[in-house]
Amino acid sequence: DTGVSQDPRHKITKRGQNVTFRCDPISEHNRLYWYRQTLGQGPEFLTYFQNEAQLEKSRLLSDRFSAERPKGSFSTLEIQRTEQGDSAMYLCASSYSGGGHGYTFGSGTRLTVV
Amino acid sequence: GQQVMQIPQYQHVQEGEDFTTYCNSSTTLSNIQWYKQRPGGHPVFLIQLVKSGEVKKQKRLTFQFGEAKKNSSLHITATQTTDVGTYFCSTNTGNQFYFGTGTSLTVIP
Repeated sequence: DTGVSQDPRHKITKRGQNVTFRCDPISEHNRLYWYRQTLGQGPEFLTYFQNEAQLEKSRLLSDRFSAERPKGSFSTLEIQRTEQGDSAMYLCASSYSGGGHGYTFGSGTRLTVV
Repeated sequence: GQQVMQIPQYQHVQEGEDFTTYCNSSTTLSNIQWYKQRPGGHPVFLIQLVKSGEVKKQKRLTFQFGEAKKNSSLHITATQTTDVGTYFCSTNTGNQFYFGTGTSLTVIP
């Protein structure tokens, strides 16, 4: 296992377009998290899954944001009708539900909305 | 809002000097985690603390969890240029997860 993988690494899109990011967690991890990070700030929690169940989504930034983890393995984060304020690094992380070992983060997808 | 606040926001030290960052909360925390993010990189897990008054060490790094479980600190002894990066504390309450704003450490050779 090579860790948490995110694709693409970079995405440039025009305002109003939809974008989708993919995250492949560490295979043994049953929890998967999405965070957003802007320059000079800490990661901002968006949502998380335990297996295929989305246990928390109230922190998704607006109804334009949605996430899925259909088979409890990889996950996708979609942003509809992108706005310039959506430009940020989107980080995925995974962990065991038992905790104690922290989150393992992917390298992130950097989104630029022009 | 932010569950945890970190100070200082920035710290510049001469190589060999010590460094400390603090993480504070107005509420009792069930746990605290520490992460390091190198410039251009992603956060990397360092340690988790769960017990009141807990102290853990990793080589030159010492992590403490306050007796009241409302604050934590990370202390680096004799900094090296490889310590450069931003250090974040993190915690969770139920299904809500929080990161502090981080302390950016610059080490001057």
